[in-house]
Amino acid sequence: AQSVAQPEDQVNVAEGNPLTVKCTYSVSGNPYLFWYVQYPNRGLQFLLKYITGDNLVKGSYGFEAEFNKSQTSFHLKKPSALVSDSALYFCAVRESYQLTFGKGTKLSVIP
Amino acid sequence: DAGVIQSPRHEVTEMGQEVTLRCKPISGHNSLFWYRQTMMRGLELLIYFNNNVPIDDSGMPEDRFSAKMPNASFSTLKIQPSEPRDSAVYFCASSPRLDPYNEQFFGPGTRLTVL
Repeated sequence: AQSVAQPEDQVNVAEGNPLTVKCTYSVSGNPYLFWYVQYPNRGLQFLLKYITGDNLVKGSYGFEAEFNKSQTSFHLKKPSALVSDSALYFCAVRESYQLTFGKGTKLSVIP
Repeated sequence: DAGVIQSPRHEVTEMGQEVTLRCKPISGHNSLFWYRQTMMRGLELLIYFNNNVPIDDSGMPEDRFSAKMPNASFSTLKIQPSEPRDSAVYFCASSPRLDPYNEQFFGPGTRLTVL
């Protein structure tokens, strides 16, 4: 069975500093990996995905993620955090038709 | 495009009452998903449809929950009778096709409170 782990419930970062939100996964076959963001009282918004090809994937709002097969990780990164990036971030894996989400990481960017 | 539309946005009801949540997927999307989000359990997939046909309902918690998709532009999730532990945010999502590498587009959710 596929699973996703987000080891940090909360990440705090100062505005302008680089940010990383961690994600590890477990699947039996090829992983299809996604990052979503949820702002308060809103639905989830798609940020980026890894299907195949380059291990560094670029997405919306300046975010990127690095796929590392040997470490089974798919960490979300941004070179310079904005206060408006403060939100709940979900990593998800899809091996077949079902999308399995992690518990989410709350990102707080401090002015 | 208006995106995925859900109604109502908020629902407050009393235990034992029937609750119906509604979803209109993005036009042209063939797959539809219902999720439930709670603090304790996070995001859980309840059921999903492809071309209006339920494919997997193993996530539906109990027989009190049922979902239908009578046509390509409308789906309902019904809880009868409702219980306080059903209180959660229910999301509907749609996807162009049922394949592993398509992202899903989420609606704004329905916040359900059962008293």
